[in-house]
Amino acid sequence: GAGVSQSPRYKVAKRGQDVALRCDPISGHVSLFWYQQALGQGPEFLTYFQNEAQLDKSGLPSDRFFAERPEGSVSTLKIQRTQQEDSAVYLCASRKDGGEAFFGQGTRLTVV
Amino acid sequence: SQQGEEDPQALSIQEGENATMNCSYKTSINNLQWYRQNSGRGLVHLILIRSNEREKHSGRLRVTLDTSKKSSSLLITASRAADTASYFCATDASGTASKLTFGTGTRLQVTL
Repeated sequence: GAGVSQSPRYKVAKRGQDVALRCDPISGHVSLFWYQQALGQGPEFLTYFQNEAQLDKSGLPSDRFFAERPEGSVSTLKIQRTQQEDSAVYLCASRKDGGEAFFGQGTRLTVV
Repeated sequence: SQQGEEDPQALSIQEGENATMNCSYKTSINNLQWYRQNSGRGLVHLILIRSNEREKHSGRLRVTLDTSKKSSSLLITASRAADTASYFCATDASGTASKLTFGTGTRLQVTL
C-alpha cells in the first residue's frame, strides 16, 4: 500500500474489555514496530517484528499485552482486560532497512 | 523508557524566525533521526544523520550531531506557520532495522 494503515483510528473500551488493534505495514517492509504514546510524551517502544518473528518484546508493559504477525505482513496488538492506564495512542511503524521508519496515523485508545 | 531529553520542551516563535531544538541521548548510536508530529497525527520522518556525520542539510532543515557530547540539534530556518508541530529525535543503536528510541519532544508554535 501507499503507507502504513492502522485500524481502528479511535477505540473506546470499557475497563476489563479486550481490544485488538490492527496494523498494515508498507508492502515489502520486513520490520514492524509498535509504540505507545501517552499525551504530551514521545513514543515508547513496545515490540518489534522482523517478518513473522517477534525479536524484541521488552517494551510490553504487562502480560496483558500481546502482539502477533503470523504471516509477516499484517500485525495485531491485543490488550486483554484493559485498564485506564492503557489509554494512549498506539503507533505502528515499518522499516525496509536501517533507514527511516514510516508511521501509521495511530489508534487512540480510551479506556473508560 | 525514553532515550534522552529534548530542549526546550516548548518553543514559540514568529514566522520568519529560526527555531533550534536540542536533543541529548545516553547510549552509542548508529544514526539519529528527527521526526515531526502534527497534533493527532502520525510521525513523519524529516532527516537522518549517521554517527560518522557531523552536519546534514535538507531544505530549510539543518541537523548537527556531536557524538562526543551525545547531542544533536535541529535548526529550522525561516519558519512558517505550517511548521507548528512537535519535533522528536530518535536514536538507532544498531542501524539494522532495529527499534528507534524517541526523546520527549519539543512543541514548536510558529505564529504569524
